[in-house]
Amino acid sequence: AQSVTQLGSHVSVSEGALVLLRCNYSSSVPPYLFWYVQYPNQGLQLLLKYTTGATLVKGINGFEAEFKKSETSFHLTKPSAHMSDAAEYFCAVSTATGRRALTFGSGTRLQVQP
Amino acid sequence: DTGVSQNPRHKITKRGQNVTFRCDPISEHNRLYWYRQTLGQGPEFLTYFQNEAQLEKSRLLSDRFSAERPKGSFSTLEIQRTEQGDSAMYLCASSPGQPMADGYTFGSGTRLTVV
Repeated sequence: AQSVTQLGSHVSVSEGALVLLRCNYSSSVPPYLFWYVQYPNQGLQLLLKYTTGATLVKGINGFEAEFKKSETSFHLTKPSAHMSDAAEYFCAVSTATGRRALTFGSGTRLQVQP
Repeated sequence: DTGVSQNPRHKITKRGQNVTFRCDPISEHNRLYWYRQTLGQGPEFLTYFQNEAQLEKSRLLSDRFSAERPKGSFSTLEIQRTEQGDSAMYLCASSPGQPMADGYTFGSGTRLTVV
């Protein structure tokens, strides 16, 4: 079984500041990790994913995340926040066997202050 | 291909009524997933199909819920005798045979409100 914990249900940053959204996972087998963004009344858009290989993953809109096995973490960062980054962000874990469905964290709402 | 399509976008129904949602996945994707998302929470897995076969149902899916995917194309999710606790966003996602490599594509969801 796997699970995801997102620390901080709300994060507020100033425009131009560093964005750091935290995600820790639990998995009994090698995990596959994802970050999704959700805008109000919309579905989920994939930001980036880690499957195998390089542990630093770059995604869309300037976001990146680093898989740290020893810390069971997959934190999402962006060097400089933009107003358009304001949204809900979800970390998710899956595995390569079985149903391969995503298990999501409870989400972090990012606010960007002007 | 325009992605995963879900209809309707919004549904308001009275308690006790039946509702049906539809999901049209990306045509070459053989896996289809249904999730439920309540306010302030992440999506929770409900069920999934590989082609037309429904391979797993979450215990969240009571006997009032049923899902189908005839001919491995579109899928429907029906809720019978709706309850207020069924109010949520219902999300559909599809993926090819190797979702780890190619990811999952989500639809925009159907928001159900039971009054």
